[in-house]
Amino acid sequence: DIVMTQPPLSLPVSPGEPASISCRSSQSLLHSNGYNYLNWYLQKPGQSPQLLIYLGSNRASGVPDRFSGSGSGTDFTLIISRVEAEDVGIYHCMQALQTPFTFGQGTKLEIK
Amino acid sequence: QVQLQESGPGLVKPSGTLSLTCAVSGDSISSSNWWTWVRQPPEKGLEWIGEIYPSGSTNSNPSLKSRVTISLDKSKNQFSLKLNSVTAADTAVYYCARKPYGSNKIDYWGQGTLVTVSS
Repeated sequence: DIVMTQPPLSLPVSPGEPASISCRSSQSLLHSNGYNYLNWYLQKPGQSPQLLIYLGSNRASGVPDRFSGSGSGTDFTLIISRVEAEDVGIYHCMQALQTPFTFGQGTKLEIK
Repeated sequence: QVQLQESGPGLVKPSGTLSLTCAVSGDSISSSNWWTWVRQPPEKGLEWIGEIYPSGSTNSNPSLKSRVTISLDKSKNQFSLKLNSVTAADTAVYYCARKPYGSNKIDYWGQGTLVTVSS
């Protein structure tokens, strides 16, 4: 199985400040088609996960442009350019290159 | 708008069978999607359980494979999960979800349902 690692488990950020969340995979997620099969999800308190970013850097429909994804191979980053109060929750990365699809343990973003 | 809704018993006895159903609205269960189950134990990360395609083809997590059955009911536009020989380690919020064929993304999720394994 591909192991996904997301340090740190908790990330306190002040409103208006940027935030960077890391995700690392135990093997490359770069497909032969040139795409990285890495998704980012946000799970707000008491809710189900919602898709933010797919194929490493593509924003899902309706996602604010303050969210962006970067990286390739085994190292990926989700960047929030200016954190807002509504961004609190747990951010999960997920690899969809091969089954079983696997998730990171999640990074909890908190407002200072 | 695509909506998924899980239903089933919230309490299952150890060694019993967990049975959940996911009702789909806003899309046909026969459309080109992988219908997916994911779970989340309390205070832990997400775990992919498995998926089924309208053809009946399935993929399951090897860690659960021998205990998992995923099936479709096209007449009711729903799909189901059965997990047998459950233990306390199977206590989790269970989500049903949709992953379009040819896509790498799970794009729609149900609200989730908590299943507790306890005597």
